Amino acid sequence: AQSVTQLDSQVPVFEEAPVELRCNYSSSVSVYLFWYVQYPNQGLQLLLKYLSGSTLVKGINGFEAEFNKSQTSFHLRKPSVHISDTAEYFCAVSYYGGSQGNLIFGKGTKLSVKP
Amino acid sequence: SAVISQKPSRDICQRGTSLTIQCQVDSQVTMMFWYRQQPGQSLTLIATANQGSEATYESGFVIDKFPISRPNLTFSTLTVSNMSPEDSSIYLCSVEDPNTAYEQYFGPGTRLTVT
Repeated sequence: AQSVTQLDSQVPVFEEAPVELRCNYSSSVSVYLFWYVQYPNQGLQLLLKYLSGSTLVKGINGFEAEFNKSQTSFHLRKPSVHISDTAEYFCAVSYYGGSQGNLIFGKGTKLSVKP
Repeated sequence: SAVISQKPSRDICQRGTSLTIQCQVDSQVTMMFWYRQQPGQSLTLIATANQGSEATYESGFVIDKFPISRPNLTFSTLTVSNMSPEDSSIYLCSVEDPNTAYEQYFGPGTRLTVT
C-alpha cells in the first residue's frame, strides 16, 4: 500500500531560525505532492504543491519544498520562522492512476516556534 | 479557491445516537470528499461524493455507518450513525479544485466527541 512518512512528529524551533520538515513517500511512480498546514482549531490550508516541472516549489508564508524523485522525498523548508508558523503540517501525495481525489496523508508534524 | 463551511463546528453526543454534518461550498464543484482525523492521527478518506450518484466508500467505511447525501453541486452531508466513543474525531469535507488536477480545499472541520 502507498504511504507517506513524516519523520518528525514534533519540531521545536526558536523564532527566526531555519526549519526543515521531512516527508518521504513509498512509491517511485509518478506523483503529485502537497503540503498542508492546520492551525489550531482550523481546517487544512494548502501551503504548496508539486505537480510537474521545477522540483523546487514555493508556497505561501515563505515556505518552499523540493521534490527529490530518487530519494522519494518532499521536504518542507523555511529560512526563518515566526511565532505565527506554529501549527501542524501535513505532507500528502496523490498517485497518477489512483482514485482521483484520494490524497494519502502523513501523520503530521507539529511545529512549535518559541520566542 | 473555494470557501467551505461546515456545521456544526463541534458537538458532544451520546453513544448510540447519530449526527449529521453539513458541508456548504460557495461555488459549484463536481467532487466532494469526506475525511476523518482521529485524535493524534492523520486524515483518512471516508468517501467521495459526486452529485447525482452514490458515494464511493473507501476500505473500512460503509454506507450504513456513514451515509452521505449530495443533493446538489454546492452541498453535502455526512451522517455518523449509531455512534460509539471510537467515532470521536474531526470530520472534514473537501472539494476538488476544478482548475487544478488533484488539488483539494478543506473545510474547517467538525469536532465530534462521543461519550
